[in-house]
Amino acid sequence: DTAVSQTPKYLVTQMGNDKSIKCEQNLGHDTMYWYKQDSKKFLKIMFSYNNKELIINETVPNRFSPKSPDKAHLNLHINSLELGDSAVYFCASSRGTGRAYEQYFGPGTRLTVT
Amino acid sequence: KQEVTQIPAALSVPEGENLVLNCSFTDSAIYNLQWFRQDPGKGLTSLLLIQSSQREQTSGRLNASLDKSSGRSTLYIAASQPGDSATYLCAVKETSGSRLTFGEGTQLTVNP
Repeated sequence: DTAVSQTPKYLVTQMGNDKSIKCEQNLGHDTMYWYKQDSKKFLKIMFSYNNKELIINETVPNRFSPKSPDKAHLNLHINSLELGDSAVYFCASSRGTGRAYEQYFGPGTRLTVT
Repeated sequence: KQEVTQIPAALSVPEGENLVLNCSFTDSAIYNLQWFRQDPGKGLTSLLLIQSSQREQTSGRLNASLDKSSGRSTLYIAASQPGDSATYLCAVKETSGSRLTFGEGTQLTVNP
């Protein structure tokens, strides 16, 4: 039983393309997140949604657009892909937005832009 | 703005050795600190979570300590095994919400 799942696991695409990464959690959590891990291994938060509403939006190019069709899903759409977008993208979820709630991470999606 | 630093960036040890991974953070106003393990293609696994009021947490061969006032945490791994080879990430949670700030990680290799 996968708690937080992401598809695809690997994504190779060319500059300028538009792509989406999907995330689903079966934990019944209200809050979901997207993190980006760059080549230096830094994991940085990009977005957070609570009950389908955006609550955290870091300084991310507007080519990145998260979409939450329901509480269990948070997808990441990226327009006009650039070389610098190559990274591992992690989805996570937590029961709520409060600091007491632990975050559970998905397996990551490795995006390579050529 | 919180910054988290992990030293060393990489560590290679022979099997059986005890080792210490270090994590430091700039803002001591944290709610908790968490150590994760990252295996290639398998996401992050939470190892230990220490609340700001605690000094240490133990799980099996792992012991994590927290000195909030000095902004430091250590992860001690006893009797290391090749299966411990992974990247270890430290993350702190702010007091005001759910934001996690991660360090760059320490890549550990345990040689048989």
